[in-house]
Amino acid sequence: DAGVIQSPRHEVTEMGQEVTLRCKPISGHDYLFWYRQTMMRGLELLIYFNNNVPIDDSGMPEDRFSAKMPNASFSTLKIQPSEPRDSAVYFCASSFPSRGSTEAFFGQGTRLTVV
Amino acid sequence: AQSVSQHNHHVILSEAASLELGCNYSYGGTVNLFWYVQYPGQHLQLLLKYFSGDPLVKGIKGFEAEFIKSKFSFNLRKPSVQWSDTAEYFCAVTHARGGSYIPTFGRGTSLIVHP
Repeated sequence: DAGVIQSPRHEVTEMGQEVTLRCKPISGHDYLFWYRQTMMRGLELLIYFNNNVPIDDSGMPEDRFSAKMPNASFSTLKIQPSEPRDSAVYFCASSFPSRGSTEAFFGQGTRLTVV
Repeated sequence: AQSVSQHNHHVILSEAASLELGCNYSYGGTVNLFWYVQYPGQHLQLLLKYFSGDPLVKGIKGFEAEFIKSKFSFNLRKPSVQWSDTAEYFCAVTHARGGSYIPTFGRGTSLIVHP
């Protein structure tokens, strides 16, 4: 398996623009997580899905952030409009607890810079 | 809610020194415990995990961790560090079953190993 795949790896955008981050989880995994990593706040859970359904989005910082999972193999995290304080590394992770392992597998991350 | 506390935020060692990174979690139920490593500019990778059985867990690259249930701790150790161990280390916990499978992470410990 190729692991969790995220795109793009790097994104530089201007303030006010829409940004879409993409994630393909490991095939068969039924949990998908979006995390944001910054120096100040460490790793923060933004939202997670179970079987494509958003379960808890309480970590989404503002209404400017939205996430979808239209099918088991694809998820997006959208920021509209983007702001400089959104600059961070965004990680997607997936897991398959029903197989007895709650280990989360991480993608390479998307480094977002908003100028 | 579960939480994870890593006591050492920054650790600086010389090569061949011994390493111990502290991790405590708060949750009274059955947990799965993890240590992840993040090398500079890379994603989180699993170092080792504890699900059940022998509380002394051995992972990759000579790392080990000991689960002490009475202390709610899962400290990471390595007898002799190498320059290549320079990285960020994250402790994480999930419920083992029937609860939240969301990985909760500590703030991380930055390890710098001088050659």
